[in-house]
Amino acid sequence: NAGVMQNPRHLVRRRGQEARLRCSPMKGHSHVYWYRQLPEEGLKFMVYLQKENIIDESGMPKERFSAEFPKEGPSILRIQQVVRGDSAAYFCASSFVEGAGNTIYFGEGSWLTVV
Amino acid sequence: AQSVTQLGSHVSVSEGALVLLRCNYSSSVPPYLFWYVQYPNQGLQLLLKYTSAATLVKGINGFEAEFKKSETSFHLTKPSAHMSDAAEYFCAVTSGGSNYKLTFGKGTLLTVNP
Repeated sequence: NAGVMQNPRHLVRRRGQEARLRCSPMKGHSHVYWYRQLPEEGLKFMVYLQKENIIDESGMPKERFSAEFPKEGPSILRIQQVVRGDSAAYFCASSFVEGAGNTIYFGEGSWLTVV
Repeated sequence: AQSVTQLGSHVSVSEGALVLLRCNYSSSVPPYLFWYVQYPNQGLQLLLKYTSAATLVKGINGFEAEFKKSETSFHLTKPSAHMSDAAEYFCAVTSGGSNYKLTFGKGTLLTVNP
């Protein structure tokens, strides 16, 4: 059973370009989450999605960031007009159900560098 | 609001010595607590979790953690460190019936010396 798959693992973008990060959840999982890890900090929740729905985006920056989880295909985290402060590791996670105590499984992350 | 404090951003032990990584939390409702390990340039792997059952939780790779409500702590221990334990360890808390909005500590980097 493959784990949470993220690509690309490493992405370099110039300021002002767009970054697209993809995430395929574990087989059978319909709940997807995105977290961001800034240098020397712990992970911070960004957004929670189910198929075709955004459930909680309280951790998403108000501008330039968007996320989707279409009926078919992977979840996408999109960052428009990237700035140097967007340089971070972006982790996707998934779970079978959503509920207290249920485990969420993390992918290996996508490291975005903005130059 | 919930929060996690990991005391010591860097812990160094000798191979074979006791590993103790400290985690204190604050939560207005009964918490669910987790320890994750992150190896360089890799994702997070769940070590163990506390979900209101037994207060002493055993995880993978010989790690365990004890939930102490009176001390609001969830310290991670391992009796004998191995070189392969060198990694960054994150404590996380969630509460209020949700499992996804984890609040993470800033992490503790564990170094194991030969």
